[in-house]
Amino acid sequence: DAGVIQSPRHEVTEMGQEVTLRCKPISGHDYLFWYRQTMMRGLELLIYFNNNVPIDDSGMPEDRFSAKMPNASFSTLKIQPSEPRDSAVYFCAFLYTGELFFGEGSRLTVL
Amino acid sequence: GEDVEQSLFLSVREGDSSVINCTYTDSSSTYLYWYKQEPGAGLQLLTYIFSNMDMKQDQRLTVLLNKKDKHLSLRIADTQTGDSAIYFCALRGGGFKTIFGAGTRLFVKA
Repeated sequence: DAGVIQSPRHEVTEMGQEVTLRCKPISGHDYLFWYRQTMMRGLELLIYFNNNVPIDDSGMPEDRFSAKMPNASFSTLKIQPSEPRDSAVYFCAFLYTGELFFGEGSRLTVL
Repeated sequence: GEDVEQSLFLSVREGDSSVINCTYTDSSSTYLYWYKQEPGAGLQLLTYIFSNMDMKQDQRLTVLLNKKDKHLSLRIADTQTGDSAIYFCALRGGGFKTIFGAGTRLFVKA
């Protein structure tokens, strides 16, 4: 989906390493969301931003997770230190006319 | 919090109709969506219905909403092998959080 570019598409790292996932949505949309998808828990909302401000981070699993949105066209999700249970596909999405537009996701594997 | 439940798997023969069901707990949901996810891709919106509607038809897709029973369904007519994917039911209330079900994996046998 050209509306949201996520990087890296795949990342394999070792437990304890820092992981940074990036999202570049089409600018001009006010709401940006980070979701995590696993087989066990499905699609979970981690955090969302409005006008670059975090509005609800109640889904962020623990303090190892942090997210920022320094401007309207860029956001990061950081995990430090990473653990094997963080292995998942992480999606970024923006909201436009009531529809969520998703990126293709970043598949993270923590060994 | 909001709970959205779907069966995990559905298998149909090509040409048959598929019906994917979803139940939810929060009656204040305003927007009810069906998203489709193909392997290795993000989710894409298939169709949606507002909470003040009972039914919506869009080509091969029919969405039925039973507000009393808090039940949403997606019917795909003349199912094709290209319809094989994971289908997510999702709900949004007056705010901006969209909550997803676990997804139903549809298998279409030729």
